[in-house]
Amino acid sequence: KAGVTQTPRYLIKTRGQQVTLSCSPISGHRSVSWYQQTPGQGLQFLFEYFSETQRNKGNFPGRFSGRQFSNSRSEMNVSTLELGDSALYLCASSLIGDSGNTIYFGEGSWLTVV
Amino acid sequence: GESVGLHLPTLSVQEGDNSIINCAYSNSASDYFIWYKQESGKGPQFIIDIRSNMDKRQGQRVTVLLNKTVKHLSLQIAATQPGDSAVYFCAENYSSGGYQKVTFGIGTKLQVIP
Repeated sequence: KAGVTQTPRYLIKTRGQQVTLSCSPISGHRSVSWYQQTPGQGLQFLFEYFSETQRNKGNFPGRFSGRQFSNSRSEMNVSTLELGDSALYLCASSLIGDSGNTIYFGEGSWLTVV
Repeated sequence: GESVGLHLPTLSVQEGDNSIINCAYSNSASDYFIWYKQESGKGPQFIIDIRSNMDKRQGQRVTVLLNKTVKHLSLQIAATQPGDSAVYFCAENYSSGGYQKVTFGIGTKLQVIP
């Protein structure tokens, strides 16, 4: 079956703009989580959604938000973009998001803020 | 999940040799561990997992060892091939009462010398 799909793969935005990234989880997976990956910080957890509800949240400012739809697809939004937001944004899905459920990643969305 | 930002360690291995990549995890209550492989420009790819009630698990050319006493995880790759060149990182998964936390290691860059 298809893996985690993220769109767009690459995008360039200007400082101050906002961006929306999309993620389609593996079919049947109800937990979707988002991560920011940068060379200097590694993988940083943004938030996790399960059944359209945010279940866990990392230490990111309110400019970073997300949501999950009834079909488990998820979007994340970053408003008022800053240069430091340039990163690879990874979406991951798992069956129910509990321990022992493997997290599978998408290929990511490369965001460059200029 | 969180990751501490540090200089990425590099392991250089001759093609055909065995590789051992190590990971120290932080939470003695973590009960599930995963190794991921991330090639340049791609999302992390699941390699192998192990639960805390096991100390060894084997896959195809890969073996994961878990030492709970010293909170150490290792990934062994047999007969390393050029296609194994990537960043490898571990993830520890802790869950309690519906709360789940996944923490990722900073990763080790594996360079295979032909």
